[in-house]
Amino acid sequence: DTGVSQDPRHKITKRGQNVTFRCDPISEHNRLYWYRQTLGQGPEFLTYFQNEAQLEKSRLLSDRFSAERPKGSFSTLEIQRTEQGDSAMYLCASSLERGQWGTEAFFGQGTRLTVV
Amino acid sequence: KQEVTQIPAALSVPEGENLVLNCSFTDSAIYNLQWFRQDPGKGLTSLLLIQSSQREQTSGRLNASLDKSSGRSTLYIAASQPGDSATYLCAVSRSSNDYKLSFGAGTTVTVRA
Repeated sequence: DTGVSQDPRHKITKRGQNVTFRCDPISEHNRLYWYRQTLGQGPEFLTYFQNEAQLEKSRLLSDRFSAERPKGSFSTLEIQRTEQGDSAMYLCASSLERGQWGTEAFFGQGTRLTVV
Repeated sequence: KQEVTQIPAALSVPEGENLVLNCSFTDSAIYNLQWFRQDPGKGLTSLLLIQSSQREQTSGRLNASLDKSSGRSTLYIAASQPGDSATYLCAVSRSSNDYKLSFGAGTTVTVRA
């Protein structure tokens, strides 16, 4: 499978627990993005990496959230001390930056987080 | 801040009818615009990418137009089928160095057999 892969697909956790999600981008893609989507809304940008460098973080990404992309390959998104408001679909996307040419973003199937 | 609006929020049509989905954005200084399809509980599938210098893109029964100056894009789906039932999202990016996408809330389409 050459698409973007996310794991797990679903996660149910108790409030206050820590959770970690993984994203494997398309192998040659140098950009990786995390988005969050709540019911009935479009995805909202959280953070993005170019290779291993985290270049931007949204204000939505509180200090309980941390993302890494070691060696510029897969990425992890960790949420500490989860709250019910963290319940959402977490989407990962990747793209290949090619200078002046447009870059199409490809999304994974998402991780559905439910905090109870 | 870029605001992306999609109207209508929901649409129900009989099979065979053509679909017209609208997307508007407040800041015309976009780099490109992308249309996605999302099935319930699933991720996003890219349908079409339009560069800011282009007026339209076509793929099979899908055609997307872009009028950057007026801040509008339209997705046309010809001869709709029940399998086209899904939520359609449009998203814009600001520049080649700032590729994060700003999304609309989507139009949920139901095609009745």
